[in-house]
Amino acid sequence: DTAVSQTPKYLVTQMGNDKSIKCEQNLGHDTMYWYKQDSKKFLKIMFSYNNKELIINETVPNRFSPKSPDKAHLNLHINSLELGDSAVYFCASSRMGGAYEQYFGPGTRLTVT
Amino acid sequence: AQSVAQPEDQVNVAEGNPLTVKCTYSVSGNPYLFWYVQYPNRGLQFLLKYITGDNLVKGSYGFEAEFNKSQTSFHLKKPSALVSDSALYFCAVRLSYSGAGSYQLTFGKGTKLSVIP
Repeated sequence: DTAVSQTPKYLVTQMGNDKSIKCEQNLGHDTMYWYKQDSKKFLKIMFSYNNKELIINETVPNRFSPKSPDKAHLNLHINSLELGDSAVYFCASSRMGGAYEQYFGPGTRLTVT
Repeated sequence: AQSVAQPEDQVNVAEGNPLTVKCTYSVSGNPYLFWYVQYPNRGLQFLLKYITGDNLVKGSYGFEAEFNKSQTSFHLKKPSALVSDSALYFCAVRLSYSGAGSYQLTFGKGTKLSVIP
């Protein structure tokens, strides 16, 4: 009964390819997120999303696009992958509102060669 | 600007001793503060949060944190460390409302806790 799941766990691909990472939550949360964790373990928010509104961190390249088929899923699509995209990507979800903690998925380790 | 700082990259403590992982913050208005733990090759797990009320907050796995408004700190503590507590700990602060029904968190850079048997 995994709360937040991501697939795949590992993703190795070549520069220039397009790839997607899937995320699903079964917590009934309204809001989902994507984070990037770099090699120094620094966590950075990329997107916040509910079924009405998408907030994009201004530093995220437009090669990254979240897609949400329904409120339980938030997939991350990445076009024209670059070496610098190599990182661990975490999906998270929470109830709507600032007082609620976020629940994180296990992460997807993306390696671009 | 709103930010959170974890001044120590690493904290070493002997098993059975008390541990403290430090966090300071800078926000406008009332802060919402969180602690998360990350075990190797795992996602982050929520430990505890301060929203309002009692300055001493108790959380999972015997951890607690003390909110100190005058020192703008939210240090994580545990009376007796276990080897299994060894992990990466993140402090986070809620930013101002950013839309999408969400309040984005900004995280500290993390503190690696090593509990020595």
